This record gives sequence, structure tokens and C-alpha cells, in this order.
Amino acid sequence: AQRVTQPEKLLSVFKGAPVELKCNYSYSGSPELFWYVQYSRQRLQLLLRHISRESIKGFTADLNKGETSFHLKKPFAQEEDSAMYYCALSSYGGSQGNLIFGKGTKLSVKP
Amino acid sequence: DVKVTQSSRYLVKRTGEKVFLECVQDMDHENMFWYRQDPGLGLRLIYFSYDVKMKEKGDIPEGYSVSREKKERFSLILESASTNQTSMYLCASSLHSGRDYNEQFFGPGTRLTVL
Repeated sequence: AQRVTQPEKLLSVFKGAPVELKCNYSYSGSPELFWYVQYSRQRLQLLLRHISRESIKGFTADLNKGETSFHLKKPFAQEEDSAMYYCALSSYGGSQGNLIFGKGTKLSVKP
Repeated sequence: DVKVTQSSRYLVKRTGEKVFLECVQDMDHENMFWYRQDPGLGLRLIYFSYDVKMKEKGDIPEGYSVSREKKERFSLILESASTNQTSMYLCASSLHSGRDYNEQFFGPGTRLTVL
């Protein structure tokens, strides 16, 4: 079964510290993975997707098929990074654009 | 810029009432989705639609129905609201094909409270 696991409900770091939000997936096909972010009082929005291989707001994520992981990393966290982060997996072969979301990790960056 | 709008930000209803949540997108997207968002449970797909008058059940369709009479509008209906349907409801849309077809654009959400 397709599944996305985010093991941490809450991650708290200090400003300037590295941050890693973990995401593991279960999928038998060729996965397409995403990170979505929801800042306080804002709508959920796409942060990055693995096929674009971009760095957005200093965040990067590398797909590791051997470990079935897609961890989100940033070398130096900022207070404005505090938000809810969701990892998502494209299912049904991507033919209809369905996404399976993890349960989310709340990142809190302290001053 | 894609715009997904939802008819209400906050809604309070009584148990047993019929509730309509409306979602409109202005970017000619084929796919539309309804999720509920609950703390500790993440986003769970209720229903989705990939074309006008088409609908598919998601992971938690029980107690809900949907309607898509026009491409830009996707309605979620709670036939008889219950307290366990108190939640944040998110609508999203996406393209059916093309390079960015998997990117979903979300509305601001409707926080529904059923008393």
C-alpha cells in the first residue's frame, strides 16, 4: 500500500541550527514526491518537488530510493521557517494527480 | 496566479443540518479535490473529480457527497452533519496533464464546527 510517514509531529530547533524533517514512503512504482508547507494563517502551498531538484528558501530534499526517503533539509534555520510541513507522494501512477500526504511535522524555530 | 476560493472561512452548523461547502478555481484546472485536515492526522482525501460530472471516492467518503456541474466549481455536501465532522476542510485543484500536473493549489480552508 502507498504510504507516507513523517515520524516527528513536532521539531523544535534554534535559529541558525540545521534542520532535517524526515519523510519515508512506501510505493511500488516510480515515486514522485513533494514537500508542502503551511505557514500560520496561510494556505497550504508547494515548497518543492523532487523532480525539479531545486533549492527553495534554502531548503533541499533528495530522493533516496534505496532508503525510500525524501528528507527535507536546511543548513541554517530561520524563525520564518516555523510552519507545518507535509510530505506527499503522487499515487495512481500520477495519472490523475492524486497525492497521499503524511501526517505533517510542525517546525518551530526559536530565536 | 492560481486562485482557489472557498465560500466560507468559518461555519457553525447544528447536528443533522445539511451543509454545503463551495470551492471555485479560476485557472481552468481539470482536477479538483476535497480534504479534511485534522491535527495529528494530516490531510485526508474525501473526494476528487477529474472532470465535470465525474467524481471518485477518496479515503474517507462516508458521510459526504460532492457535486461538479461546472469545471470551475466543486461542492462538498454533508447530508446530515455530525459532530465528528467538525474539522478544517481544504479544497485543491490541479492540471490533468503537463509538466506541473501534480502540483495542487489549495484554497484557504473552511473551519466547520458542528454543534
